[in-house]
Amino acid sequence: NAGVTQTPKFQVLKTGQSMTLQCAQDMNHNSMYWYRQDPGMGLRLIYYSASEGTTDKGEVPNGYNVSRLNKREFSLRLESAAPSQTSVYFCASSEGLTNQGKYFGPGTRLTVT
Amino acid sequence: QKEVEQNSGPLSVPEGAIASLNCTYSDRGSQSFFWYRQYSGKSPELIMFIYSNGDKEDGRFTAQLNKASQYVSLLIRDSQPSDSATYLCAVSPSGSARQLTFGSGTQLTVLP
Repeated sequence: NAGVTQTPKFQVLKTGQSMTLQCAQDMNHNSMYWYRQDPGMGLRLIYYSASEGTTDKGEVPNGYNVSRLNKREFSLRLESAAPSQTSVYFCASSEGLTNQGKYFGPGTRLTVT
Repeated sequence: QKEVEQNSGPLSVPEGAIASLNCTYSDRGSQSFFWYRQYSGKSPELIMFIYSNGDKEDGRFTAQLNKASQYVSLLIRDSQPSDSATYLCAVSPSGSARQLTFGSGTQLTVLP
């Protein structure tokens, strides 16, 4: 039981490049989330998916898109990376929206130059 | 005003002492409250949650919630060097069961 997995662990992009961050969970959770964490800012919600087939914006969605591919997988795409998107990205999952105890993946450290 | 506020620290306590971590929140209708531990370079790990006023104990950890005063705290008894980490408070705002608002965390160091 791997829990929540993310790929890649590290990534360096040039401004304007695109990339997709992958996330998968094997806990049969319905809800999945993408957060970013910046120094002094705490964790901020980018997008979430309450269940397979649905996605909604969080606090900081601009510059990102998501896809809930199936119950297990939730990807985050940066279409045109900007230096302001340099951050650590965490994927998380939970059984449902009312159970907010979230399980986090190991994170992706992204640098945009 | 930030929605969830924590003292960034660092907070240092000697081994064996009680560490007290505090969090205040602005939304009076908030319903659920969570404490996460995050080791440097690692992902957050849920350690406690509390929904009702009062105390909730789990091993060496006690979460305390006072909705009237809008604060939630985490006590760590018999602190160990392995407890050294950043502790994140998270609050589920009213009307939004979908989202958690996180504080920026308190860095705790337990000195041997």
